[in-house]
Amino acid sequence: GDSVTQMEGPVTLSEEAFLTINCTYTATGYPSLFWYVQYPGEGLQLLLKATKADDKGSNKGFEATYRKETTSFHLEKGSVQVSDSAVYFCALSDQSFQKLVFGTGTRLLVSP
Amino acid sequence: DGGITQSPKYLFRKEGQNVTLSCEQNLNHDAMYWYRQDPGQGLRLIYYSQIVNDFQKGDIAEGYSVSREKKESFPLTVTSAQKNPTAFYLCASSLTGQFSGNTIYFGEGSWLTVV
Repeated sequence: GDSVTQMEGPVTLSEEAFLTINCTYTATGYPSLFWYVQYPGEGLQLLLKATKADDKGSNKGFEATYRKETTSFHLEKGSVQVSDSAVYFCALSDQSFQKLVFGTGTRLLVSP
Repeated sequence: DGGITQSPKYLFRKEGQNVTLSCEQNLNHDAMYWYRQDPGQGLRLIYYSQIVNDFQKGDIAEGYSVSREKKESFPLTVTSAQKNPTAFYLCASSLTGQFSGNTIYFGEGSWLTVV
């Protein structure tokens, strides 16, 4: 079945450092790919998405590019802030129905 | 404002009792979902519904039940048959259809603790 693999956390960075969170997927067909963010005690918020190969999703300084050849969708940000501390989930939506398959999440901790 | 409302935010249940979590959306979405999140883990799909009066089991449906009598409502009942119900429960919705780019939106979640 479809699956998503994320790098294990926590990822600990200083403010203004460069961020990469790796995400790879296994899926049949051409899934859509998503990054969601979860702040403590809250639900998930969509951060960005890409619906086809080579698409780049971006939002709030975060970017991720849909790489079909490497089945990857790595999340990047050039300069993180303390307020970016959260758990980040990579996900894909299968083509048969709109349910999401999630990775296990990666906790990001940014210190001043 | 449009969105997904889950209630209650926090709920305590005694062992052997059923409890129902509410989920209401005013986004006019056809599809709705329930996910469970355990500490330090990803989300697992419990049930989903593509349209009113229809729903399907997800990956971990045992011990749970749902109904979809109205488009905007998708309540989840955690029954006494659920062996380890303490978790964070997330309701979500999306436009249905064949477009794989549809976004799934989440509610704020409900914390259930069995005491």
